[in-house]
Amino acid sequence: GENVEQHPSTLSVQEGDSAVIKCTYSDSASNYFPWYKQELGKGPQLIIDIRSNVGEKKDQRIAVTLNKTAKHFSLHITETQPEDSAVYFCAAPIGGSSNTGKLIFGQGTTLQVKP
Amino acid sequence: GAVVSQHPSRVICKSGTSVKIECRSLDFQATTMFWYRQFPKQSLMLMATSNEGSKATYEQGVEKDKFLINHASLTLSTLTVTSAHPEDSSFYICSASVMGAEKLFFGSGTQLSVL
Repeated sequence: GENVEQHPSTLSVQEGDSAVIKCTYSDSASNYFPWYKQELGKGPQLIIDIRSNVGEKKDQRIAVTLNKTAKHFSLHITETQPEDSAVYFCAAPIGGSSNTGKLIFGQGTTLQVKP
Repeated sequence: GAVVSQHPSRVICKSGTSVKIECRSLDFQATTMFWYRQFPKQSLMLMATSNEGSKATYEQGVEKDKFLINHASLTLSTLTVTSAHPEDSSFYICSASVMGAEKLFFGSGTQLSVL
């Protein structure tokens, strides 16, 4: 089955710097990769996602890149702000296809943006 | 956007009692909802898939008689933790996707504390 590894587990950056979080997956059939932001005591919030037929997707200060050959995808946050501080999770479909809606999550990255 | 409402946000109960958590899709119909569990500083673990009008599908290692799931309508799924014990204390989160779409949206979560 699918396995997702996420690094780093913690990341501390200065306000205004960029942050990059990386995930690898094992199932080459996986076709959908979302990223979630979770603030303390709250449910995860979908911030960006990418399908396997696209190499990069951008939404203002956040972007996701996908390398299907290497089976890894990354979250890029530019011009970080203190409110970006949270736990970020990558995910991939269980069973490869996104049709089931079932996701397996990475271990999470705690991002701290220092003012 | 798709909104998933979850109640209660926090519940404290005595050992041996049952607790019901509700998950509602507010602005869309969800034939399938998912229940996740998250322990402190850990990732989300899929517990079960809730299917409207049929029995839930449980992940390996999840006791179906302990975690009762009912999906009576296209907008409501409930999770009942029966005979709760301290080891059931956790953050429970539901999620749902718009029919036919792959984006998964999460509720705000329920922090269960069993004394």
